[in-house]
Amino acid sequence: GAVVSQHPSRVICKSGTSVKIECRSLDFQATTMFWYRQFPKQSLMLMATSNEGSKATYEQGVEKDKFLINHASLTLSTLTVTSAHPEDSSFYICSASLLQDTQYFGPGTRLTVL
Amino acid sequence: GENVEQHPSTLSVQEGDSAVIKCTYSDSASNYFPWYKQELGKRPQLIIDIRSNVGEKKDQRIAVTLNKTAKHFSLHITETQPEDSAVYFCAASRKTGANNLFFGTGTRLTVIP
Repeated sequence: GAVVSQHPSRVICKSGTSVKIECRSLDFQATTMFWYRQFPKQSLMLMATSNEGSKATYEQGVEKDKFLINHASLTLSTLTVTSAHPEDSSFYICSASLLQDTQYFGPGTRLTVL
Repeated sequence: GENVEQHPSTLSVQEGDSAVIKCTYSDSASNYFPWYKQELGKRPQLIIDIRSNVGEKKDQRIAVTLNKTAKHFSLHITETQPEDSAVYFCAASRKTGANNLFFGTGTRLTVIP
């Protein structure tokens, strides 16, 4: 149980385009979903927290107009990187919270912006 | 906010030996401490967690200890195997309604056959 999927697993796009990443909890309803960014050989940095039906809470330094988060249902959250630039290239990972504090992670999306 | 420090950043052990990774946290209100294992290019996998009302928890070869007074917690892996090689992250959170996890910087464990 507690399976989280993420799509796509890899995406390459041109600078200036937008990219949407989906995060789904497959076998449970997630009260909260989280979006992280991970640079090579570094830790996970929380970008934002989203709850179904409400606006996401962004961490300091994360541009909410650039990283749009939509949490339309208890099983789906999306992250859209708008007007992507090479510095946005990274590994983006979502997680979903089943119980009060346990988080289960998706497989990640590797974004490369040319 | 919470600050989690993790040591060492790299650790090499011989197969069969034990490995210990230590973390400290700054927020005394933190009450949940999970450990994640991440293999290259893959998702972090929860391997064990501990809550602040427990001092030690064990699951086969893996154990976690928590010292709330000193604000530190440790991961112990006994009888290490090559498949234990990965990056391990500790994390801490407190109930704020958002369950935010604050991660340590990670430890790259290499088990030498």
